[in-house]
Amino acid sequence: EPEVTQTPSHQVTQMGQEVILRCVPISNHLYFYWYRQILGQKVEFLVSFYNNEISEKSEIFDDQFSVERPDGSNFTLKIRSTKLEDSAMYFCASSVTGVGETQYFGPGTRLLVL
Amino acid sequence: RKEVEQDPGPFNVPEGATVAFNCTYSNSASQSFFWYRQDCRKEPKLLMSVYSSGNEDGRFTAQLNRASQYISLLIRDSKLSDSATYLCVAGRENAGNMLTFGGGTRLMVKP
Repeated sequence: EPEVTQTPSHQVTQMGQEVILRCVPISNHLYFYWYRQILGQKVEFLVSFYNNEISEKSEIFDDQFSVERPDGSNFTLKIRSTKLEDSAMYFCASSVTGVGETQYFGPGTRLLVL
Repeated sequence: RKEVEQDPGPFNVPEGATVAFNCTYSNSASQSFFWYRQDCRKEPKLLMSVYSSGNEDGRFTAQLNRASQYISLLIRDSKLSDSATYLCVAGRENAGNMLTFGGGTRLMVKP
């Protein structure tokens, strides 16, 4: 069964450093998403991406965040200058289309900012 | 007010029990609804979509009441493997298909 993959599974970084989280969505999916989950809290939407542009972003997704689909398979989330409060699990998701479709989640990248 | 609200639990039930979870949502622009399951430190996985007509998948039954903005999940004949956190989720196609998650209801099924 096809699945969303994410790398790395864990990343530790120093405050102020840039990090890039990588995702490979399911191959025939057209819509891509990033969510995050701070430990003990709910899953929160960051951004959705379709047709090589951002469709929607939340308040969390400020100028420090960016997304890119650099080639036909990868989808990346970059945090330019990490803060302590960026420590969280970051989930990538994808869906075939948008309307009411199931979003399939990757296993996540656990980011720890020291 | 939280956009999607759930009782956090935990619900501790014996094997074989029937358990019901409720959820309310506040944004009337929400168009699609789901129950996801999340095991500890894992990704959310779709359990089932939720429709106004009600839908059933084996031991699981979900119901949506748009008028009262209320969603439910019923689990019959609970198994040990049902132990997890159940996430009530609302989707908005007119907002980039963003999913809004509730905080989750934790279920623990005991032998």
